[in-house]
Amino acid sequence: KQEVTQIPAALSVPEGENLVLNCSFTDSAIYNLQWFRQDPGKGLTSLLLIQSSQREQTSGRLNASLDKSSGRSTLYIAASQPGDSATYLCAVRGFQGGSEKLVFGKGTKLTVNP
Amino acid sequence: DTGVSQNPRHKITKRGQNVTFRCDPISEHNRLYWYRQTLGQGPEFLTYFQNEAQLEKSRLLSDRFSAERPKGSFSTLEIQRTEQGDSAMYLCASSLEQVWDEQFFGPGTRLTVL
Repeated sequence: KQEVTQIPAALSVPEGENLVLNCSFTDSAIYNLQWFRQDPGKGLTSLLLIQSSQREQTSGRLNASLDKSSGRSTLYIAASQPGDSATYLCAVRGFQGGSEKLVFGKGTKLTVNP
Repeated sequence: DTGVSQNPRHKITKRGQNVTFRCDPISEHNRLYWYRQTLGQGPEFLTYFQNEAQLEKSRLLSDRFSAERPKGSFSTLEIQRTEQGDSAMYLCASSLEQVWDEQFFGPGTRLTVL
């Protein structure tokens, strides 16, 4: 059974700092990994999707990496801003038994202080 | 707006009542997913449709839950005889059947069972 863990559970940084969020998963048999952002009481916004054959993806100030063999992904946020404050979730799509579901971690709650 | 939409956004009901939620996916997406998220947790998979066929159901989906997608467009999720433990955010996502299969989420329906 796939399990996804995100560390740390919460992170508070001053504005302008570069930061890294971590995600690990137990089964390396995955199609892809997605990073999402969730604001309080809201739905999920897709940030980046990395295919299993890729090593990283970039969008603006965000860079996500994937090391499938070790079961790890990181989300790097450069020059953080107060507007980046949210919960960041990672999710993997595996191919055990033909399942199409995403398996999520519990998220990292990020606070960027002005 | 061309994103995933969900209605209602909030629902308060008394224990034992039935509730129904609606999800309208992105128009060209043939895959539709339902997830449930409780406070402080990541979303958990409930069920998945490809066109009108329900192809996967989680063990979380007890016999009080039923989902339909009759014409392969919008979907409904019904909960019968609601219990306080059903209180959660119900999230819908859609995707286009492709190898990378990026899932896009709606704003969610917040259910409170009194």
